[in-house]
Amino acid sequence: DAGVIQSPRHEVTEMGQEVTLRCKPISGHNSLFWYRQTMMRGLELLIYFNNNVPIDDSGMPEDRFSAKMPNASFSTLKIQPSEPRDSAVYFCASSLVGGIETQYFGPGTRLLVL
Amino acid sequence: RKEVEQDPGPFNVPEGATVAFNCTYSNSASQSFFWYRQDCRKEPKLLMSVYSSGNEDGRFTAQLNRASQYISLLIRDSKLSDSATYLCVVTNQAGTALIFGKGTTLSVSS
Repeated sequence: DAGVIQSPRHEVTEMGQEVTLRCKPISGHNSLFWYRQTMMRGLELLIYFNNNVPIDDSGMPEDRFSAKMPNASFSTLKIQPSEPRDSAVYFCASSLVGGIETQYFGPGTRLLVL
Repeated sequence: RKEVEQDPGPFNVPEGATVAFNCTYSNSASQSFFWYRQDCRKEPKLLMSVYSSGNEDGRFTAQLNRASQYISLLIRDSKLSDSATYLCVVTNQAGTALIFGKGTTLSVSS
């Protein structure tokens, strides 16, 4: 299995620009999670989907962040406009619904907003 | 109060040492508990689940005390390859998502 795939792996952008992060979950997994990790705050859950439907987006920091899952094999996390404080590592993870103990993480996208 | 609290460390130990990490969690409704390991600049990976009866996986032993809302991880005979950050993880009340501690960093030296 290819595992969870994220792209890009690194992104450097300027403040105010739109950033789109992409995720392909493990085939057959029907839960998808977006996390953000910083030194100050650790690993935070932003949003998660079950069967392509957003279940809990209470972790999304503000309206500048949006996430979509148009089908079972693809999800995006968009930041518009980006700010320097958005600089972090963004992880996508997937699991089976009800199989939270077997959550697999992608390699992450390192975002730097200048 | 943070939902999952851990001593950030770092814990610096020599090879062969025994080291213990602790964590506390605030939501008594959490039902499942885990330790994840995260290597530098890598993604977190499940190390082991934690059960009330305690469980062991080779050199690693995990314990859960529900009454005290306390989780521990014991590593015996530390190896250089054990150097990593160990994340204490609990499920949310619904059991549908994971809540991570900020991690404890372990450095094992020769």
